[in-house]
Amino acid sequence: LAKTTQPISMDSYEGQEVNITCSHNNIATNDYITWYQQFPSQGPRFIIQGYKTKVTNEVASLFIPADRKSSTLSLPRVSLSDTAVYYCLVGDMKGSSASKIIFGSGTRLSIRP
Amino acid sequence: DGGITQSPKYLFRKEGQNVTLSCEQNLNHDAMYWYRQDPGQGLRLIYYSQIVNDFQKGDIAEGYSVSREKKESFPLTVTSAQKNPTAFYLCASSTLRPGDLRGRRQETQYFGPGTRLLVL
Repeated sequence: LAKTTQPISMDSYEGQEVNITCSHNNIATNDYITWYQQFPSQGPRFIIQGYKTKVTNEVASLFIPADRKSSTLSLPRVSLSDTAVYYCLVGDMKGSSASKIIFGSGTRLSIRP
Repeated sequence: DGGITQSPKYLFRKEGQNVTLSCEQNLNHDAMYWYRQDPGQGLRLIYYSQIVNDFQKGDIAEGYSVSREKKESFPLTVTSAQKNPTAFYLCASSTLRPGDLRGRRQETQYFGPGTRLLVL
């Protein structure tokens, strides 16, 4: 069971690039890395998922080094609406392994004007 | 318009009362999950179901019960045995098809809007 460690909170300003790093030293071969975003009083929303190297979509980029023991979520040019809690999850979503996916406390990102 | 819905948005429970939270999805997903979230905390898994008529306990199942009679529905009952039920409850669903190895894609969880349960 891969445990993740991420900063409790981060602050940044509008227009800046924000990088949130997650450590997962015990990641298994079959594990994927997934990031979710949660606004207050809402359910988490999928942002991005990757296995190795770099993944980019219209919202964010995910950088995963060769050893896969950490990953970095990169949010380009953040705005006030990016203020949310960001969760890093590591695991195999198939079958019974899905039950072992753990949402930790996440990183509370605050964006200032 | 596919999605996952939860009702009600707010629910009040009297001491000794059982209450049921509704979760419905029209995404044709096989798996469904219930999580509990306390203020400032992450999500903790209560129960999950991978297929109709089957469900498994998560980390904090005591004081809760579920049923999965239909693929689309996964109601959660908070029983009187749950002594500290005040929390934000989230339902999620996902597919369980084998991952597409070429595309390196895996299933993700889709969450409902949540139900906030308060004790009177």
